[in-house]
Amino acid sequence: DAGITQSPRYKITETGRQVTLMCHQTWSHSYMFWYRQDLGHGLRLIYYSAAADITDKGEVPDGYVVSRSKTENFPLTLESATRSQTSVYFCASSPSGDRSYEQYFGPGTRLTVT
Amino acid sequence: GENVEQHPSTLSVQEGDSAVIKCTYSDSASNYFPWYKQELGKRPQLIIDIRSNVGEKKDQRIAVTLNKTAKHFSLHITETQPEDSAVYFCAASQNAGTASKLTFGTGTRLQVTL
Repeated sequence: DAGITQSPRYKITETGRQVTLMCHQTWSHSYMFWYRQDLGHGLRLIYYSAAADITDKGEVPDGYVVSRSKTENFPLTLESATRSQTSVYFCASSPSGDRSYEQYFGPGTRLTVT
Repeated sequence: GENVEQHPSTLSVQEGDSAVIKCTYSDSASNYFPWYKQELGKRPQLIIDIRSNVGEKKDQRIAVTLNKTAKHFSLHITETQPEDSAVYFCAASQNAGTASKLTFGTGTRLQVTL
């Protein structure tokens, strides 16, 4: 479990501010994902990445930006935070090959937008 | 896109009894069905998964069954224990050699009472 970390764990920000959530994994997994978790919605995919410099949209990408310059890092940026983006954000990673099905989650970041 | 429905949303069982959680999916191309357990304030953790070429899979007290024709799959927990209390999420995805984009159900809160 220590192989994938997120920072900060808790964040309070104001509407309109830019905020970046960090995700770091030490497993050299090819794939990385960002989900948000909201009551009544389960986990919803925001963005994912198959490798460095390769990213693609998930189910709910609006208002978010991602980058992946290094395999181990996958930051998620809220360019202008809105109250509807108050949520718990989970980063996940999975290896390539036969085990690419298996996703392993980070500890989460609880973001509150006031 | 894929849609996953999960029932029930809450489930209370007595210790030692069995618990069953059911999910249905909409996309017949989905071929991977994991189950995640999330304890309060913790990250989702993969507990068991099944691929479309298998009808049932067991791991000690937990088992998953898949009916591709009906497009539903279920999680079975036998001899429930207090530590089984958590929220359980089902998910479905297609994995065509690239990132496995999971679509999650909305979760089932399982409470095991003494």
